Amino acid sequence: AQSVSQHNHHVILSEAASLELGCNYSYGGTVNLFWYVQYPGQHLQLLLKYFSGDPLVKGIKGFEAEFIKSKFSFNLRKPSVQWSDTAEYFCAGISGGGADGLTFGKGTHLIIQP
Amino acid sequence: DTGVSQNPRHKITKRGQNVTFRCDPISEHNRLYWYRQTLGQGPEFLTYFQNEAQLEKSRLLSDRFSAERPKGSFSTLEIQRTEQGDSAMYLCASSPGTAYGYTFGSGTRLTVV
Repeated sequence: AQSVSQHNHHVILSEAASLELGCNYSYGGTVNLFWYVQYPGQHLQLLLKYFSGDPLVKGIKGFEAEFIKSKFSFNLRKPSVQWSDTAEYFCAGISGGGADGLTFGKGTHLIIQP
Repeated sequence: DTGVSQNPRHKITKRGQNVTFRCDPISEHNRLYWYRQTLGQGPEFLTYFQNEAQLEKSRLLSDRFSAERPKGSFSTLEIQRTEQGDSAMYLCASSPGTAYGYTFGSGTRLTVV
């Protein structure tokens, strides 16, 4: 079955620290991958997406993610986090050409301490 | 605001009652999705419309759940004979195509007492 897993459920960092949140997927064939963010009290927002081409994708607010097919991974990174990055982060995937909805991971709750 | 709109924002209902939620997608988006999210979990797919056609339903969507999208515009999600296990945030999203990702609404939080 198609699935997306996030292994870090809670992450606490200090401001200016570097961030890497793990995401692994299990899909056969082509896969489209996404990272969404949910700030406190707000709706889910798209951070970045991967469809094809350059495996290193850049998103909003200085985030980037790297698609590594051999590792079935799509980890999210940011070189220097800010207090305003405190949020819930969700990795999601869908098989290429899939007609059903995105499959989401359980999320990672990121807390940035000033 | 031209985003995805969901009403009501909060709904408290007694067990056994029926509830209906509404979603107004972004007008140019022909795809509409319903998700359910419980505490500590990621959103779980419920159902998907392309225009007015309901193309996919999750096995999570029991017979008590029904969704419609008449005329391919707004959508409603009805839950009949609510149970405490139905308590969750119900999210709606719309998209012009998978390549663009989804735009989510703020959700309807359902509490069944």
